[in-house]
Amino acid sequence: DVKVTQSSRYLVKRTGEKVFLECVQDMDHENMFWYRQDPGLGLRLIYFSYDVKMKEKGDIPEGYSVSREKKERFSLILESASTNQTSMYLCASSLFGTDFSYEQYFGPGTRLTVT
Amino acid sequence: SQQGEEDPQALSIQEGENATMNCSYKTSINNLQWYRQNSGRGLVHLILIRSNEREKHSGRLRVTLDTSKKSSSLLITASRAADTASYFCATDGGGGGADGLTFGKGTHLIIQP
Repeated sequence: DVKVTQSSRYLVKRTGEKVFLECVQDMDHENMFWYRQDPGLGLRLIYFSYDVKMKEKGDIPEGYSVSREKKERFSLILESASTNQTSMYLCASSLFGTDFSYEQYFGPGTRLTVT
Repeated sequence: SQQGEEDPQALSIQEGENATMNCSYKTSINNLQWYRQNSGRGLVHLILIRSNEREKHSGRLRVTLDTSKKSSSLLITASRAADTASYFCATDGGGGGADGLTFGKGTHLIIQP
């Protein structure tokens, strides 16, 4: 079974802090994704990566950056946390398909509160 | 940008009844996928249907796809309390594996015991 783990289930940070959210997958997937989920807005893609050191902006990249130094690990960085970044953050991974998208495997999520 | 739109937003039925959720999308797709999310958890992949397929089954799940109407439906038969969850459709917009999926806002399903 594919396993995607996230470093924390719950996190509380102060405004202005630099925040690191870590995600690790154990199935040698090329693709990794970061989403945020807010009530009434569904899942919104922040960033994704299809290879080591590669990154692509999603729909809402502002205020975030990412790092992928190893294939199994994808980090989301909030450079200076703000209250509007309070949300559930979900990491996912998948195989890379040239012409189509494979199913994604999700981690349990990190509920981040910025005060 | 979000493409899939689930309908209804919320659905409450009695245990044992069938539950039907619908998804509409706007542009052409390679495939459409359905996911389930239990409260406060990550999403779990349920089923994938390709654009050249019309119907697919997996256990108590039946998915249909009508590309001419740009719509899909998910049917859960003989519902159980454990089916209580949010269900999301996700579309592969045809950009290939590097583009990923676009998720809808979900249908919240409640199964009353």
